Amino acid sequence: AQTVTQSQPEMSVQEAETVTLSCTYDTSESDYYLFWYKQPPSRQMILVIRQEAYKQQNATENRFSVNFQKAAKSFSLKISDSQLGDAAMYFCAYHSGNTPLVFGKGTRLSVIA
Amino acid sequence: KAGVTQTPRYLIKTRGQQVTLSCSPISGHRSVSWYQQTPGQGLQFLFEYFSETQRNKGNFPGRFSGRQFSNSRSEMNVSTLELGDSALYLCASRDLTGIAEAFFGQGTRLTVV
Repeated sequence: AQTVTQSQPEMSVQEAETVTLSCTYDTSESDYYLFWYKQPPSRQMILVIRQEAYKQQNATENRFSVNFQKAAKSFSLKISDSQLGDAAMYFCAYHSGNTPLVFGKGTRLSVIA
Repeated sequence: KAGVTQTPRYLIKTRGQQVTLSCSPISGHRSVSWYQQTPGQGLQFLFEYFSETQRNKGNFPGRFSGRQFSNSRSEMNVSTLELGDSALYLCASRDLTGIAEAFFGQGTRLTVV
């Protein structure tokens, strides 16, 4: 079964600085998708960024970018110019074929003013 | 398009009772998944419905059941509630013709006393 591991339960970053959240996954599939979701205190899960495994280029969405290392099965999220509104739980998720999304246990990010 | 709508937002039930939660997916999305979120276990997959058929099922006891209607709305039922069922229940809808990212509702916070 596929598993997703987020080894950092909590992280903190100074406002305007850069932070990287780690995620590793285990799969025997070659075609799959990876996602980072953000869950602020409002509880609404919001998609931050996605990566198709067949694409070598790392995905970027404004201040959010990923470092996708397919061979190492690593998918880290970099947040640049951190803002107070970035404070949230961040979940890494994996999806392949007809299987449901598999989530990591999350990383709680605090942003210090 | 309207987002994923979950009702009710909050529920308080007594042990032994049963509860029904509702989820209306994004218009056109035929896949609806349910997740249980607790502080200790993170997001755990309950089941997924597609075109009124259960497509995937997580490792939960038979007290947890669901169904999907012809308009893609889904309900989740928990019978004989236990204290450990207290959690945030999240519903996600997907358009399986695309990249299949999941869009989440705001969740139903269930408290069992």
